[in-house]
Amino acid sequence: QVQLVQSGAEVKKPGASVKVSCKVFGYTFSGYYMNWVRQAPGQGLEWMGWINPNNGATNYAQNFQGRVTMTRDTTISTAYMELSRLSSDDTAVYYCAREGYGPTPYDSWGQGTLVTVSS
Amino acid sequence: EIVLTQSPGTVSLSPGERATLSCRASQSVMYNYLAWYQQKPGQTPRLLIFAASSRATGIPDRFSGSGSGTDFTLTISRLEPEDFAVYYCQQYSSSPRTFGQGTKLEI
Repeated sequence: QVQLVQSGAEVKKPGASVKVSCKVFGYTFSGYYMNWVRQAPGQGLEWMGWINPNNGATNYAQNFQGRVTMTRDTTISTAYMELSRLSSDDTAVYYCAREGYGPTPYDSWGQGTLVTVSS
Repeated sequence: EIVLTQSPGTVSLSPGERATLSCRASQSVMYNYLAWYQQKPGQTPRLLIFAASSRATGIPDRFSGSGSGTDFTLTISRLEPEDFAVYYCQQYSSSPRTFGQGTKLEI
């Protein structure tokens, strides 16, 4: 059974960084892109970027260029998303979601990680 | 960047009625790589429709998608109580991937 299991909720101060993990089960990690999508409270879905677990290649949304870093550890089938220089506008639920090479839609999602930025 | 505009923002209907949700793209979505997701409060988005008109695994046949190019529609033929949620369209034909702002389907 395909599962994407994310790390727990985080509370950060403005200016800090946060790193969220997404560990996969039930499929070959390198067989799918890993996307990151966030959702601010009461708002819609915002795509942040993806990483290709095969070679580590990344594609970031313009809004996050310079602040986001996506990495992976293939030995433990885990993807990471690190966001720096946090502000209150970054308070959101962060999701990982897999995408097949094709491209394909997101058929499996992590449970979400709430990141709260507050002084 | 392809901008997706969903309408209406909110629609109020009753169980048993038919719902028609629209998603319009600012430019043509190649290969009709357009998906629809359902999200209930406190839950993760769930894939309903991909490639504009194909139902994802386990999705009831009361959900159907149609359209091509820049105009797409999600239809729910007979609303069940569990269908009241927010629906998002997404294009995955080009980068950046983009989502519509969502349509809230309420009783």
